[in-house]
Amino acid sequence: SQELEQSPQSLIVQEGKNLTINCTSSKTLYGLYWYKQKYGEGLIFLMMLQKGGEEKSHEKITAKLDEKKQQSSLHITASQPSHAGTYLCGADPGNTPLVFGKGTRLSVIA
Amino acid sequence: NAGVTQTPKFQVLKTGQSMTLQCAQDMNHEYMSWYRQDPGMGLRLIHYSVGAGITDQGEVPNGYNVSRSTTEDFPLRLLSAAPSQTSVYFCASSYGATNEKLFFGSGTQLSVL
Repeated sequence: SQELEQSPQSLIVQEGKNLTINCTSSKTLYGLYWYKQKYGEGLIFLMMLQKGGEEKSHEKITAKLDEKKQQSSLHITASQPSHAGTYLCGADPGNTPLVFGKGTRLSVIA
Repeated sequence: NAGVTQTPKFQVLKTGQSMTLQCAQDMNHEYMSWYRQDPGMGLRLIHYSVGAGITDQGEVPNGYNVSRSTTEDFPLRLLSAAPSQTSVYFCASSYGATNEKLFFGSGTQLSVL
């Protein structure tokens, strides 16, 4: 079965700093999804990447897919308190429901 | 547009009690699923359905039953609750089973004493 490993598990950054979260798959990635979860709430869809080398941006968040490395990265530029939460990557194994990583908890301090 | 609605938001059960977690979506999605989220374990798939009348097991199905009599509803039943089922449960839906964005409910926090 496909497994996703996220790093780091948790991250504390000062407001205004940049940061990167990585998601590495044990198998070929057919599609990679990034979600954000605020404490006590459900998951909110951020972006979906489907092709190797694909890069998408939304506001100050950019995600890239490296198909050869079976890896995706999520980069936040000039972090803000509103970016705080848990970020989860999810992968489409091909013909079964999404599998998820364990998440990266981000805290942004003033 | 309500999206995916889960009820209740919080629930406390005693060991051995039964209950049903409700999930409804108003987006005419064919695919629905239940996940549980535990500290250090991430999201794990319990059961899923690719359409009315069709259900299948996920990674951790033991102790849970599901049915899909309509496109809109996908209830999760705990027949005899155990402390190991203490968790946060999320229902999700999408247009299709693969390569489709999942829409999540806000979750049900369940404690089994």
